[in-house]
Amino acid sequence: EAEVAQSPRYKITEKSQAVAFWCDPISGHATLYWYRQILGQGPELLVQFQDESVVDDSQLPKDRFSAERLKGVDSTLKIQPAELGDSAMYLCASSLGTEPANQPQHFGDGTRLSIL
Amino acid sequence: GENVEQHPSTLSVQEGDSAVIKCTYSDSASNYFPWYKQELGKRPQLIIDIRSNVGEKKDQRIAVTLNKTAKHFSLHITETQPEDSAVYFCAASSGGGSEKLVFGKGTKLTVNP
Repeated sequence: EAEVAQSPRYKITEKSQAVAFWCDPISGHATLYWYRQILGQGPELLVQFQDESVVDDSQLPKDRFSAERLKGVDSTLKIQPAELGDSAMYLCASSLGTEPANQPQHFGDGTRLSIL
Repeated sequence: GENVEQHPSTLSVQEGDSAVIKCTYSDSASNYFPWYKQELGKRPQLIIDIRSNVGEKKDQRIAVTLNKTAKHFSLHITETQPEDSAVYFCAASSGGGSEKLVFGKGTKLTVNP
């Protein structure tokens, strides 16, 4: 069964450093999502792409976070500079993005980020 | 925006018993309600979903019910097994182009052998 691939699995860095996460969605999935999951809570959407275009980035802290999906396939999420409060699991998900709306979203294993 | 409340936060049952997890949502435009199971250190896995034009859906030992009028939906697991132990998340999406999922805070289910 096809899966969403993410790397790295774990990242430890010091505050004020830059950090980047990579996601490769399931082949053929047009919609890609980045979620942040704080320990003990449900995932919260940071940004959603439809192909290479941003559909929703209303919850993305744009002063320090950026995301891109240049060719409409894989995606990178970046944080610069990282802050202590950014410690969390960063999950990528993808869906077909075709009608009907709300195709099932499939998640990757995530990147566990720890800021020292 | 949408707000999803999930109860209980922890649930402990004996193997073979049933487990029920309940969620309420605030946005009457929400039309898609998935449930995810997340084992420790692993990815959330979709276990069942329901759309607003359906009141109930069942898949083997798992069922979901939806009450649009009351804006609540529930997950029912029958004949629980130790491998059902995990954190379960409900979510709601209003579609409209965004398809943004808003998640509940999760329920930690423990099935005791």
